[in-house]
Amino acid sequence: QLQLQESGPGLVKPSETLSLTCTVSGASISTSSYYWGWIRQPPEKGLEWIGNIYYRGTTSYNPSLKSRVTISVDTSKNQFSLKLNSVTAADTAVYFCSRLRRDYHFFEIWGQGTMVTVSS
Amino acid sequence: QSVLTQPPSVSGAPGQRVTISCTGNRSNIGVGYDVHWYQQLPGTAPKLLIYGNTNRPSGVPDRFSGSKSGASASLAITGLQAEDEADYYCQSYDTSLTGSVFGTGTKVTVL
Repeated sequence: QLQLQESGPGLVKPSETLSLTCTVSGASISTSSYYWGWIRQPPEKGLEWIGNIYYRGTTSYNPSLKSRVTISVDTSKNQFSLKLNSVTAADTAVYFCSRLRRDYHFFEIWGQGTMVTVSS
Repeated sequence: QSVLTQPPSVSGAPGQRVTISCTGNRSNIGVGYDVHWYQQLPGTAPKLLIYGNTNRPSGVPDRFSGSKSGASASLAITGLQAEDEADYYCQSYDTSLTGSVFGTGTKVTVL
């Protein structure tokens, strides 16, 4: 049974870098049928797509975040990661990782999400 | 920022039918990209409800159905139940983002 689990600090200071890891269990991340993505949801607001990565390392990012975002993959650990630099209070959100079907381009399986607060 | 527009809220009595609209434009739904729907119960991650405009994943009740026409799509819930009270989001691919775009979200209230 496929599971995704986000991990990382719950509190980040303004201007610093937010770093999260998504650990995939129950299936290999090295599959041609899927991308692996990050989505976030500020408190009481809607969902925002952050970006995706293919297991070979190809990425796509939301243009509104592209200058600050890096998504990477470690196939040996079956993990992928998110880095968001120069964070502000506006980056406070629940961050979800997800498996994205390449054919239809939908988010099939989601992690439970992790709350990240940006505050000094 | 390109978004898909949904009504903020819809409501209905148990057993009734409600529909949620999702309006896009010529950079997403309007150029033929599929629409997908998610249900988010309070305090939980979104769950896939409909994919490819009309398809239900295994385990999703047939009370939920999707449709698409032109630059818009709809989610219908028939035989509304108390457990359907949640937020619902549509999602598609957007050429201007070269990635995914989500709807603004709709809160369904069961009266």
